[in-house]
Amino acid sequence: QVQLVQSGAEVKKPGASVKVSCKASGYTFTSYYMHWVRQAPGQGLEWMGIINPSGTGTRYAQRFQGRVSMTRDTSTGTLYMQLSSLRSEDTAVYYCARGHLPDVWGQGTTVIVSS
Amino acid sequence: EIVLTQSPGTLSLSPGERATLSCRASQSVRNNYLAWYQQKPGQAPRLLIHGASSRATGIPDRFSGSGSGTDFTLTISRLEPEDFAVYYCQQYDSSPPIFTFGPGTKVDIK
Repeated sequence: QVQLVQSGAEVKKPGASVKVSCKASGYTFTSYYMHWVRQAPGQGLEWMGIINPSGTGTRYAQRFQGRVSMTRDTSTGTLYMQLSSLRSEDTAVYYCARGHLPDVWGQGTTVIVSS
Repeated sequence: EIVLTQSPGTLSLSPGERATLSCRASQSVRNNYLAWYQQKPGQAPRLLIHGASSRATGIPDRFSGSGSGTDFTLTISRLEPEDFAVYYCQQYDSSPPIFTFGPGTKVDIK
């Protein structure tokens, strides 16, 4: 079945970087756009950005410009999101999602930023 | 950039009742590219409605979407126990690809 399986929880110090992975299975990875969306504790959903099917194009939400990088490895069917210069406000659950209009979501990866 | 506002913030209803959720955009949503998602605690969001009024695959017909331009509505005709959750609207556009979520409406049990 179609599945997105994300990497495990991370604890990082302020100023560090985090790289979250999302492995796709059950469908043709190179046929779909992919998104990253995050959700801070008790808060709503926040769209971070999108990467095209081939991985040659990205679009990031303005507030993450310069701090986020989204890549995909078509040989392994894995999507990556790296967020740098972490601060406490980046503590959140990070989701990957499939499709121009996200119809399949990963289980989420908790990232905690704390000194 | 389009800003989405959802109302009410919380809707307290009983099973079997009708739920009407509103999503208002700060400017017209092009091509009615407006979606609705449901999220339960500890779970990822689930796509319910796209294109303002088209149900996603497997979504029961008690969920319906309507509206155009700047005003959109999600209606749940008769609430089932599993429908108590938070609902988000989202606008999406292709050129450039920009996606924005509303703040959400929580539907809880009265």
